[in-house]
Amino acid sequence: DPKIIQKPKYLVAVTGSEKILICEQYLGHNAMYWYRQSAKKPLEFMFSYSYQKLMDNQTASSRFQPQSSKKNHLDLQITALKPDDSATYFCASSQDLGGSQNTLYFGAGTRLSVL
Amino acid sequence: GDSVTQTEGLVTLTKGLPVMLNCTYQTTYSPFLFWYVQHLNEAPKLLLKSSTDNKRTEHQGFYATLHKSSSSFHLQKSSVQLSDSALYFCALTPANSGTYQRFGTGTKLQVVP
Repeated sequence: DPKIIQKPKYLVAVTGSEKILICEQYLGHNAMYWYRQSAKKPLEFMFSYSYQKLMDNQTASSRFQPQSSKKNHLDLQITALKPDDSATYFCASSQDLGGSQNTLYFGAGTRLSVL
Repeated sequence: GDSVTQTEGLVTLTKGLPVMLNCTYQTTYSPFLFWYVQHLNEAPKLLLKSSTDNKRTEHQGFYATLHKSSSSFHLQKSSVQLSDSALYFCALTPANSGTYQRFGTGTKLQVVP
């Protein structure tokens, strides 16, 4: 059974719309992340959370907003979608932030296409 | 700032030959280095990791040695198989400032018969 569940697997959206990507992890990890993968940037870090607290944000645009309702839950809300947002979005988790505890476990990804 | 460099975008090899994928890094802190492998249409997963200088680490026939003197963590295998065809990422977590892993741009390994 997958330990990190991402929903949906595929998502098609129109330019200007808003979508929410869902992520839940059942590994008992304390840290969660969002990464984005596209042809231009193979694995681009977006956000890191530890114990539901935002630790780092490398996303330039405020259109991307992470939401953590529970420690094992980290959603990603994207507003005013643009075709350039088309990518595969990976949720990941690790036991803790930093050092050897930082081995990342990835979900299967949500492939977003913006038309 | 902290960064990882992978110089080869694509490596094509015949089955049975050895491979070395390059990874160098930059950080002012003590580093933790990782190699992840991503097969087509799958998520990346850990292949091996290290933080110990000059110690070889191995997994599934792949091996790498962290050399702090040259800031390198090259991935090697003595004999590649068709199933090794995948995208390989080198990643860095600097100690004391590790709120996320920095990934290199990835190397696509293509093994042909």
